[in-house]
Amino acid sequence: AQSVTQPDIHITVSEGASLELRCNYSYGATPYLFWYVQSPGQGLQLLLKYFSGDTLVQGIKGFEAEFKRSQSSFNLRKPSVHWSDAAEYFCAVGASGTYKYIFGTGTRLKVLA
Amino acid sequence: SAVISQKPSRDICQRGTSLTIQCQVDSQVTMMFWYRQQPGQSLTLIATANQGSEATYESGFVIDKFPISRPNLTFSTLTVSNMSPEDSSIYLCSGGQGGFDEQFFGPGTRLTVL
Repeated sequence: AQSVTQPDIHITVSEGASLELRCNYSYGATPYLFWYVQSPGQGLQLLLKYFSGDTLVQGIKGFEAEFKRSQSSFNLRKPSVHWSDAAEYFCAVGASGTYKYIFGTGTRLKVLA
Repeated sequence: SAVISQKPSRDICQRGTSLTIQCQVDSQVTMMFWYRQQPGQSLTLIATANQGSEATYESGFVIDKFPISRPNLTFSTLTVSNMSPEDSSIYLCSGGQGGFDEQFFGPGTRLTVL
């Protein structure tokens, strides 16, 4: 069965520090992978997506993610975190043939000034 | 891109009543979905809203509890029927053109059932 695991429920970093949010997936074929961010009271916003090609994907707000097939991972990174990045981050995999998303449980990011 | 709005943004309801949530997209979209986000948990797909036909429900969700309408390509409603406190959640709709083009999400409706 398809699934997405985000091992870290909460992460706290200092402003200016680097960030990596982990995402592991279970999927039988080439996955379609997404990272979304949800700020308080806001809908989900797409940060980046991977369908095929270059395994290092650039997104909005300075985020990037790297697809590693051998590790079934799609970790999200940012070299320098800003206070406005505090939010909840969701990794998702697209279910082929149905266009439905399966979401991970989310990682809540706290940024210290 | 598409901008999605939902009404109401939040509501507090009594046990046993029903609430209808509206989802409006500012452009035509092929696919529309309804998700539930229970407190502290991730998004779970409730159903795919099909234009002009019955919605397609995921395992664990039934039409009698969550009737859905989609009369056209820009609008859908989700009704939460005969509510209980366990239905307290955020309900989100999303829309997109299908394939794995980006899905756009509404801001959610925060429902509290007393």
